Amino acid sequence: DAGITQSPRHKVTETGTPVTLRCHQTENHRYMYWYRQDPGHGLRLIHYSYGVKDTDKGEVSDGYSVSRSKTEDFLLTLESATSSQTSVYFCAISDSDRLNTGELFFGEGSRLTVL
Amino acid sequence: DQQVKQNSPSLSVQEGRISILNCDYTNSMFDYFLWYKKYPAEGPTFLISISSIKDKNEDGRFTVFLNKSAKHLSLHIVPSQPGDSAVYFCAAFYNNNDMRFGAGTRLTVKP
Repeated sequence: DAGITQSPRHKVTETGTPVTLRCHQTENHRYMYWYRQDPGHGLRLIHYSYGVKDTDKGEVSDGYSVSRSKTEDFLLTLESATSSQTSVYFCAISDSDRLNTGELFFGEGSRLTVL
Repeated sequence: DQQVKQNSPSLSVQEGRISILNCDYTNSMFDYFLWYKKYPAEGPTFLISISSIKDKNEDGRFTVFLNKSAKHLSLHIVPSQPGDSAVYFCAAFYNNNDMRFGAGTRLTVKP
């Protein structure tokens, strides 16, 4: 199993507060991703990273920012949380060998509730 | 704009029978297709994939079929086991960072 840990696993916060989710990997994989999972939508890509300090937007990036200062850590920040950002967030990683096959290794998820 | 669609939110089958999960896509650029399996409170895990140059890929009890002309793929599980009960996501992409997922199908295999 790929070594991916997400923190926190559960968080309840109020509208307008900042929230940061952390993804930590021990696999030294180059590529890291943040997805959100919502009923009826499956998994949607928020942001991804293809190296330290190299990030790009995904399908649903509005309201989110990311940072990757080290290979092993990928942070997802909600500057001012809204109720529409209540979701389960998954971090995923991929190495170059598996890049062409699209195989991703996912963390266990972080459930965020914005009241 | 949901480019990958799983129109059946749920499927229930008897243990030992075949499970068939379906997926349709709209983007003809997709050239790689995957199935992920997800148990409650866990992240999705990769199950099986197929390249657009093939029409079938088999791995044990799991077989994925691709019909490019119909833009349709399916996952067959034979024989189905209670441990296969999970949510199955279909995914497709044409470069690593444009992977699109379907909404998922919840499979229940009854003993």
